[in-house]
Amino acid sequence: SQQGEEDPQALSIQEGENATMNCSYKTSINNLQWYRQNSGRGLVHLILIRSNEREKHSGRLRVTLDTSKKSSSLLITASRAADTASYFCATDINQAGTALIFGKGTTLSVSS
Amino acid sequence: NAGVTQTPKFRVLKTGQSMTLLCAQDMNHEYMYWYRQDPGMGLRLIHYSVGEGTTAKGEVPDGYNVSRLKKQNFLLGLESAAPSQTSVYFCASKAGYTGELFFGEGSRLTVL
Repeated sequence: SQQGEEDPQALSIQEGENATMNCSYKTSINNLQWYRQNSGRGLVHLILIRSNEREKHSGRLRVTLDTSKKSSSLLITASRAADTASYFCATDINQAGTALIFGKGTTLSVSS
Repeated sequence: NAGVTQTPKFRVLKTGQSMTLLCAQDMNHEYMYWYRQDPGMGLRLIHYSVGEGTTAKGEVPDGYNVSRLKKQNFLLGLESAAPSQTSVYFCASKAGYTGELFFGEGSRLTVL
């Protein structure tokens, strides 16, 4: 079974609004990563948060991590039409951190 | 800088045929991965390698074999293709055990 599960599966918002996606995972992790995938393309890394961090920012992105609840959230502020994509969380599957397991993703649609 | 290159990008096979997908990275990364992506399933890890000459099974390894004879290349083989292996295959690499993944653009395989 997959380690990470994103919620919601799909999200539709208007330009300028904020988008929040959640990820829950099952076992302890070293770090959690978020990736973006435009339609028909490979995944692109957005941000990595380590297990001893609670919040991290990168531009319009804000990621939180709650290890006690085994959950993370990705907030995209002031969304743009170009943010339309699928977003995935990924966690390592072993203590060595050698392999990442992905969730099923959240499909974000931002309309202008 | 090419990054991660996958060949071929598209392939159609008949049931029972064999083929090999090639992944090449020019970033001197130790770790390499093969994922498959199916609608509604997100990405699932097939096999991975933590260095030249090493391979390990991921979430869905059955029906696939891999080889890492050279550090820069990771091959994914299908010995006897089945319609259930129709998917988009992604190769990825990373430098260290806590690093981000760099993805190729994908190889779309159809098995008839």
